[in-house]
Amino acid sequence: GAGVSQSPRYKVAKRGQDVALRCDPISGHVSLFWYQQALGQGPEFLTYFQNEAQLDKSGLPSDRFFAERPEGSVSTLKIQRTQQEDSAVYLCASSFSGKDTQYFGPGTRLTVL
Amino acid sequence: DAKTTQPPSMDCAEGRAANLPCNHSTISGNEYVYWYRQIHSQGPQYIIHGLKNNETNEMASLIITEDRKSSTLILPHATLRDTAVYYCIVRISSNTGKLIFGQGTTLQVKP
Repeated sequence: GAGVSQSPRYKVAKRGQDVALRCDPISGHVSLFWYQQALGQGPEFLTYFQNEAQLDKSGLPSDRFFAERPEGSVSTLKIQRTQQEDSAVYLCASSFSGKDTQYFGPGTRLTVL
Repeated sequence: DAKTTQPPSMDCAEGRAANLPCNHSTISGNEYVYWYRQIHSQGPQYIIHGLKNNETNEMASLIITEDRKSSTLILPHATLRDTAVYYCIVRISSNTGKLIFGQGTTLQVKP
């Protein structure tokens, strides 16, 4: 079946612009995770949804980062007033439940100029 | 979650077995060992996981020591397409099962 998809695959933003990154999880997966991966580093957890409820947002680096999943399926990660340090690959993963194996999408590479 | 230690890089000849070690000396009894890999410019790909028994699937085998303080991921016949960063992750089974990635091992398969 279809895996996790993310769009856009690449995004270039000028410093100060707002961006929105989309994640389409595997159909039927209740849990959805966002991770941030800086160049040369492993992915780092940002936030976690169970259905539409955001149960953990402890990894969001600042209040400029906001994530939502209003209908319990598609999720959007929004970054306001982007800064150069926000440049990274943003990965989305989904799983049947929070304790099951997570499957990752291809990521969105964000470059802030 | 327990911390894992992996060598930063390894080489393997094409067609030979690749054995990737991982130390997780502070693992708890209810923590699983997961392996993911990340090929350049792609998202992490799930490989295999286990609790205390050895596991095998179509991609790899996972050997966990009896004391569970270390494990080895085995790719039986490495190909050039197996060149990737391999992450060993120890993860508690819970409803907020975020993954904590380390630096991983960069495996270079050479012809």
